[in-house]
Amino acid sequence: GAVVSQHPSWVICKSGTSVKIECRSLDFQATTMFWYRQFPKQSLMLMATSNEGSKATYEQGVEKDKFLINHASLTLSTLTVTSAHPEDSSFYICSASTPGSYEQYFGPGTRLTVT
Amino acid sequence: GQQVMQIPQYQHVQEGEDFTTYCNSSTTLSNIQWYKQRPGGHPVFLIQLVKSGEVKKQKRLTFQFGEAKKNSSLHITATQTTDVGTYFCAGPLGNQGGKLIFGQGTELSVKP
Repeated sequence: GAVVSQHPSWVICKSGTSVKIECRSLDFQATTMFWYRQFPKQSLMLMATSNEGSKATYEQGVEKDKFLINHASLTLSTLTVTSAHPEDSSFYICSASTPGSYEQYFGPGTRLTVT
Repeated sequence: GQQVMQIPQYQHVQEGEDFTTYCNSSTTLSNIQWYKQRPGGHPVFLIQLVKSGEVKKQKRLTFQFGEAKKNSSLHITATQTTDVGTYFCAGPLGNQGGKLIFGQGTELSVKP
């Protein structure tokens, strides 16, 4: 099956700093990728849709200036958490679908801890 | 807004017992998907149901899509320790291609 990778798998940063998370589709091209956030013991909440070559679309309540998304190529989307605060600590997961498929392939996730 | 609800939130079973999780949507869905997330892992696609009243089986797992296409269920027969994890249902979010809204998930633990 299709493979999606994420980097880093975990990161600890200080409050006020920015963190960049990469999501790559390794063996297929993804014009669209999705970013989710998951708090412990909770469901996945869609944050935004990353579109190659155009601006990301954000779900209601997600600050686009805080969570910067760039989808510069067909295999890479990045999420930058700017001026991170402890409440941003979470598990961030990306996903993508292969062309013509409905199945979403998820990356392994990035666990962000802001101290 | 659109909601997808799942019950129960947790289920603890003895190995060999059956398990069922139920999913209900506030809106009619064109399709429903099921994912499994192992502890510490990421969601993995299990199946998609599209047709009203559809039933699909994968070994010990049976998936159903309701006649009204607003509810679904996942039933596991004779659970094994390898079934441990959280099971999520997910439906299309609005009519915007590819976006999913997930249920809260049912966490299954299996006692050997």
